[in-house]
Amino acid sequence: AQSVSQHNHHVILSEAASLELGCNYSYGGTVNLFWYVQYPGQHLQLLLKYFSGDPLVKGIKGFEAEFIKSKFSFNLRKPSVQWSDTAEYFCARGGATNKLIFGTGTLLAVQP
Amino acid sequence: KAGVTQTPRYLIKTRGQQVTLSCSPISGHRSVSWYQQTPGQGLQFLFEYFSETQRNKGNFPGRFSGRQFSNSRSEMNVSTLELGDSALYLCASRIGDRGTEAFFGQGTRLTVV
Repeated sequence: AQSVSQHNHHVILSEAASLELGCNYSYGGTVNLFWYVQYPGQHLQLLLKYFSGDPLVKGIKGFEAEFIKSKFSFNLRKPSVQWSDTAEYFCARGGATNKLIFGTGTLLAVQP
Repeated sequence: KAGVTQTPRYLIKTRGQQVTLSCSPISGHRSVSWYQQTPGQGLQFLFEYFSETQRNKGNFPGRFSGRQFSNSRSEMNVSTLELGDSALYLCASRIGDRGTEAFFGQGTRLTVV
């Protein structure tokens, strides 16, 4: 069965620190990858997506992710986090259908 | 343009009752998917509707059902509610093509007591 793993469940950083959240996906079939963010009390918002092409994907709010096929990874990065980045981050995999398989999420707390 | 609208936002029901949740997708979007979000299981896919037809289904019991209307609005029904059905139910709409971006609503928070 298809799956997505997020290894960091809770991350605490100070403002201006660099961020990298891990995401690994299972092998097989068409792979479309997404990072979503859920700010407290708000709906899931798309940060970035990868369908094909350049494996380095730029998203909103200074986030980027790199698709590394050989490692089945799609890690999220941001060079300098802000307090407003405090949220829960979800990696998700899509494929030939519209079904999304989500990772368990990473709670990021940024301390001012 | 307006986003995905889910109603109601909050709901409290008693065990054994049934509940209907509603989702209005973004105008022009023909695909509507439903997800259940709980602290223990995370986000799990329930089903997807496209042009009034169920196109995909997740691993949920038959108590969970849905439908889509000709205007793409969708409803989800849960019968014989159990305590474990307490969750945030999220609706996502897509323009239709497989693999395109999903836009999520704010969800309906269902509490079963």
